[in-house]
Amino acid sequence: AQTVTQSQPEMSVQEAETVTLSCTYDTSESNYYLFWYKQPPSRQMILVIRQEAYKQQNATENRFSVNFQKAAKSFSLKISDSQLGDTAMYFCAFMKAVIKAAGNKLTFGGGTRVLVKP
Amino acid sequence: NAGVTQTPKFQVLKTGQSMTLQCAQDMNHNSMYWYRQDPGMGLRLIYYSASEGTTDKGEVPNGYNVSRLNKREFSLRLESAAPSQTSVYFCASTRRSGGITDTQYFGPGTRLTVL
Repeated sequence: AQTVTQSQPEMSVQEAETVTLSCTYDTSESNYYLFWYKQPPSRQMILVIRQEAYKQQNATENRFSVNFQKAAKSFSLKISDSQLGDTAMYFCAFMKAVIKAAGNKLTFGGGTRVLVKP
Repeated sequence: NAGVTQTPKFQVLKTGQSMTLQCAQDMNHNSMYWYRQDPGMGLRLIYYSASEGTTDKGEVPNGYNVSRLNKREFSLRLESAAPSQTSVYFCASTRRSGGITDTQYFGPGTRLTVL
């Protein structure tokens, strides 16, 4: 079974500054995918960014980027130029590559609460 | 498109009562999922349906049953609610049951309290 660990329960950052969230995972799989989801106070789960394990290049999505270290099983999220709307819970999630019939099952970490201060 | 919808948004039950949480998606997705989210924890998979007509257990299936009524709808039933089932429940769906392009789209959640 896979496990995902987020060691920072809460982080705060000043508006316009950068914050990095940590995520480590444990798996024996070689082919898998990693995700960061954002959950604002509205409770909606929003996909922020995803990374395919077979790709060495780190994924970026506007102000969001990841540092994927496969050997270390680490997948951190960097939020640049933080905005007030970035205030939310952030969840790291793991999904192993599956055959078509088996379904995409996500394993989530415990979350990191990010507070962006004006 | 409404995406993934869930009813009800809030529910309070007494111990031993039963209820069904409804989920529907209008994106013609094949796979659907039920998760629960407890304080201080991420989402945990209860049951999933890789395709219409199939259902499988996830990480925490005890105390729940599911029905994939058709391609659009996937319901979660609590036969005899317990206080340990107090949680926020999320339904999600993906277009296919395999592949990186299959982002999971989540519903808005149902907050359930069992007294």
